[in-house]
Amino acid sequence: GDSVTQMEGPVTLSEEAFLTINCTYTATGYPSLFWYVQYPGEGLQLLLKATKADDKGSNKGFEATYRKETTSFHLEKGSVQVSDSAVYFCAPFSGYALNFGKGTSLLVTP
Amino acid sequence: DGGITQSPKYLFRKEGQNVTLSCEQNLNHDAMYWYRQDPGQGLRLIYYSQIVNDFQKGDIAEGYSVSREKKESFPLTVTSAQKNPTAFYLCASSIARQGNSPLHFGNGTRLTVT
Repeated sequence: GDSVTQMEGPVTLSEEAFLTINCTYTATGYPSLFWYVQYPGEGLQLLLKATKADDKGSNKGFEATYRKETTSFHLEKGSVQVSDSAVYFCAPFSGYALNFGKGTSLLVTP
Repeated sequence: DGGITQSPKYLFRKEGQNVTLSCEQNLNHDAMYWYRQDPGQGLRLIYYSQIVNDFQKGDIAEGYSVSREKKESFPLTVTSAQKNPTAFYLCASSIARQGNSPLHFGNGTRLTVT
């Protein structure tokens, strides 16, 4: 069946460091791909999405490119802030709903 | 403001009792979903509904039941048959069952069963 693999956390970075969170998936066809963010005690918020190969989703300084050759959708940010501390979920659309990865916890220290 | 409301935020129950979690949306979305979140396991789909009066089992439906009598509402009942009900439950909705339509989430209900 379909699956999602995210790099394991927690990831700890200093403020202004470069961030990469890897995500690879298996799926039938070319699904739309999403990144969601979850702050403590809250639900998930859409961070960005890409709907076809080579699309780049971007929002709040975060970017991710739909790579169909490697079935990957890695999340990047050039300079993280303390306020980016959260859990990040990669989620391809899987037939009838989103199929979420296990999440990667990010802690950014001042 | 449009959004999804889950209530209550925290819920405590004794083992053997059924409990119903509320989910209401005023986004006029057709599709609604229930996910369960456990530490280190991400989100797992319990049930989903694409239209009023219709719903489908997700990956972990055993021990749960739902109804979809109104477009705005998709309550989830955690029955006594659910072996490990303590978890964080998230409700979501989307415009339709379309691959490029993002899900909008509520703030969740944390259920503790002792």
